[in-house]
Amino acid sequence: DQQVKQNSPSLSVQEGRISILNCDYTNSMFDYFLWYKKYPAEGPTFLISISSIKDKNEDGRFTVFLNKSAKHLSLHIVPSQPGDSAVYFCAASLNNNDMRFGAGTRLTVKP
Amino acid sequence: DTEVTQTPKHLVMGMTNKKSLKCEQHMGHRAMYWYKQKAKKPPELMFVYSYEKLSINESVPSRFSPECPNSSLLNLHLHALQPEDSALYLCASSQVGQQYGYTFGSGTRLTVV
Repeated sequence: DQQVKQNSPSLSVQEGRISILNCDYTNSMFDYFLWYKKYPAEGPTFLISISSIKDKNEDGRFTVFLNKSAKHLSLHIVPSQPGDSAVYFCAASLNNNDMRFGAGTRLTVKP
Repeated sequence: DTEVTQTPKHLVMGMTNKKSLKCEQHMGHRAMYWYKQKAKKPPELMFVYSYEKLSINESVPSRFSPECPNSSLLNLHLHALQPEDSALYLCASSQVGQQYGYTFGSGTRLTVV
């Protein structure tokens, strides 16, 4: 049972434009949502998180939006840069440090 | 030191072998994790250690045996594995608490022959 879903396996965006990565979840008990970025041959790197009591969190070029009623979150990257090209994982956390990951979306930012 | 170090990076083992994967961090994190990732799939949680005690075991077969000898080290002992256990094994650490992102190691690519 996959509780966190990323339905787009890939996304291609022009440099300087906005990248929007989407994620859906099924378990309303999740307390925190996180985004990770993964380069080849490296482990995932934590990017940004949001508590379930908030609807937006911003950190530089990265903003995460949470819509609890729709059980949906998104990551916006503005402006997109070629160095942002990577696989992005959405994750959701229950208590006791139990974190579940989506399947990932491969973002390609073209110069 | 802001890294999680996993060794070895690659491992090929036979189904009758015994081997161990090692993970080390010196960030003072008191939560450590093992995840398994198959190709084109999300990382799947295997074990969680919190303050050196096993807090989550996601119904992992007994041929995988975790060990946390101290707050900086996490091992995964492997015995009598099957070819379908071939995967990338990721170790991660974090402060205890849901809002803290994990720091992942680069993983061990395991092939069971």
